[in-house]
Amino acid sequence: GIQVEQSPPDLILQEGANSTLRCNFSDSVNNLQWFHQNPWGQLINLFYIPSGTKQNGRLSATTVATERYSLLYISSSQTTDSGVYFCAVRTSGTYKYIFGTGTRLKVLA
Amino acid sequence: EAGVTQFPSHSVIEKGQTVTLRCDPISGHDNLYWYRRVMGKEIKFLLHFVKESKQDESGMPNNRFLAERTGGTYSTLKVQPAELEDSGVYFCASSQGPGGGYTFGSGTRLTVV
Repeated sequence: GIQVEQSPPDLILQEGANSTLRCNFSDSVNNLQWFHQNPWGQLINLFYIPSGTKQNGRLSATTVATERYSLLYISSSQTTDSGVYFCAVRTSGTYKYIFGTGTRLKVLA
Repeated sequence: EAGVTQFPSHSVIEKGQTVTLRCDPISGHDNLYWYRRVMGKEIKFLLHFVKESKQDESGMPNNRFLAERTGGTYSTLKVQPAELEDSGVYFCASSQGPGGGYTFGSGTRLTVV
């Protein structure tokens, strides 16, 4: 089956710093979402981005489907950005999302 | 539009007891999914309903887990009897059709002691 790997696995930032999270996938996908699992365990949808670039405030994401990767950019990080970031992909003809291994982010005040 | 609602938000039970989790999808969404994240690992698919029918239950770990979606509206996930390794966060998601993104609920944190 498709493999989804995220890097880095862990990231510690000082408040105000910028960061880039990466998601690589081993096969063609036609659906991709980025999620943030906050410290309370809630899973928050950030972007639905099977291709192209989207921005929402301090966050933006880019997916290059032909090269099988997606990037999540966090600018001017805040302590509330802490948590685990997951990308999840679906291939054509399936309903099942395959989640990546996650990037655990800690933003220090 | 109301989102996907899950409750309880947190449940603490003893090993061997039974727990039932509930998920209310977005109104009109025929597709409902259960996922879980246990032991700090990645989030894994459990099963998929289309209306009241189980479309794919390949991710259900064993027969201690029973999911139902009577009437094609809300869904329940029962764990009986619960084991320590069942501790984790259980997520429900819904979608209208095959394309587009899914909307996830806030999850139920299950702790088995």
